[in-house]
Amino acid sequence: DAGVIQSPRHEVTEMGQEVTLRCKPISGHDYLFWYRQTMMRGLELLIYFNNNVPIDDSGMPEDRFSAKMPNASFSTLKIQPSEPRDSAVYFCASSRTFRGGTGELFFGEGSRLTVL
Amino acid sequence: AQTVTQSQPEMSVQEAETVTLSCTYDTSESNYYLFWYKQPPSRQMILVIRQEAYKQQNATENRFSVNFQKAAKSFSLKISDSQLGDTAMYFCAFMPIQGAQKLVFGQGTRLTINP
Repeated sequence: DAGVIQSPRHEVTEMGQEVTLRCKPISGHDYLFWYRQTMMRGLELLIYFNNNVPIDDSGMPEDRFSAKMPNASFSTLKIQPSEPRDSAVYFCASSRTFRGGTGELFFGEGSRLTVL
Repeated sequence: AQTVTQSQPEMSVQEAETVTLSCTYDTSESNYYLFWYKQPPSRQMILVIRQEAYKQQNATENRFSVNFQKAAKSFSLKISDSQLGDTAMYFCAFMPIQGAQKLVFGQGTRLTINP
């Protein structure tokens, strides 16, 4: 089975540009998570969805960040406008509810974003 | 709010040695899961081992085992017969069973296995 698929793997952009990160979760998983990893702050949960509905977006840094999940097989994380401090690795992960799963999160390979 | 603390930013051992990574957590929940994830240089997060809080028996996966002390809120990872491929960042993580099904991570421990 294919794992969580993220694109792009690497993105280099200039300050002020719009950035869109994409994620395809594992089929059958009903939870989707976006995490950000930096040296200073470690792994931070930005937002997560259950059955395509955003449940908790309290980790989204500010209004420049937005996330959508239009269907069960696709999600985007958008940054507009981007700033140098947004440079990080962004991970998407998916899981099944406890009743049908183990609670384990399956991670994608991450998207490394560099904002110049 | 739950917090997870890993007090060892870096560790280094020789190949074939045994190493223990520490993790403590704080929660008012009684039922939860605890995890250890590994992040090698390739960057992808990989599950190493998982423990249900309601199980008294410590989880074991081949060379990896945990020492789960619920009263002390401690969850250490022991790697036996360490191998060069074990070199990675290791993250301890907590997830409550009730309510929000989201993972809270510790800061990570960078483990280096030397030949």
